[in-house]
Amino acid sequence: DTEVTQTPKHLVMGMTNKKSLKCEQHMGHRAMYWYKQKAKKPPELMFVYSYEKLSINESVPSRFSPECPNSSLLNLHLHALQPEDSALYLCASSRVDRFDQPQHFGDGTRLSIL
Amino acid sequence: KNEVEQSPQNLTAQEGEFITINCSYSVGISALHWLQQHPGGGIVSLFMLSSGKKKHGRLIATINIQEKHSSLHITASHPRDSAVYICAVTPPNTGNQFYFGTGTSLTVIP
Repeated sequence: DTEVTQTPKHLVMGMTNKKSLKCEQHMGHRAMYWYKQKAKKPPELMFVYSYEKLSINESVPSRFSPECPNSSLLNLHLHALQPEDSALYLCASSRVDRFDQPQHFGDGTRLSIL
Repeated sequence: KNEVEQSPQNLTAQEGEFITINCSYSVGISALHWLQQHPGGGIVSLFMLSSGKKKHGRLIATINIQEKHSSLHITASHPRDSAVYICAVTPPNTGNQFYFGTGTSLTVIP
């Protein structure tokens, strides 16, 4: 069982819908990450939260809105998405926000935009 | 040009075979990671290396900093090892990004 839990596992939404992806970890990690992964490509970093504050935004369009309500939870709010946003969205966490630390990944949410 | 190159891109092996996946990188690094991604999508962090060799069960990872090269070995391969294996490196000083390889897709046939 993964230590990082993502819900839902699958999501189909229209371009006018608003939905949220959720991520939870209880390892006491203080850094959490959102990645986007297209088929047969490596993950692309979207956002990094450190101690519940946004520390990195990789020029992600504003239709993606991250939120970190507390140190265990990370949300990604979606609004007015485009078909090209269809992808696997992965959440990860690490002890601190450095990439020379091991990251623990969730199983991902597979998102399809109609 | 990718900072991280993996070979082979695809690999098919018979159950029980010894498997090697290679990763070469062109930047200085503070750490190198080997990740495993199963068809369902979840990623498991297998190893993080900055020097030498690490072993976990049937998996062995080595790194040669001078040659900027790492290998992931799987001994006595099994169909459940079928997955995509991704190499990722962390540049020094910043520590706030990964450079990912494009992955090696491994299929182990019973």
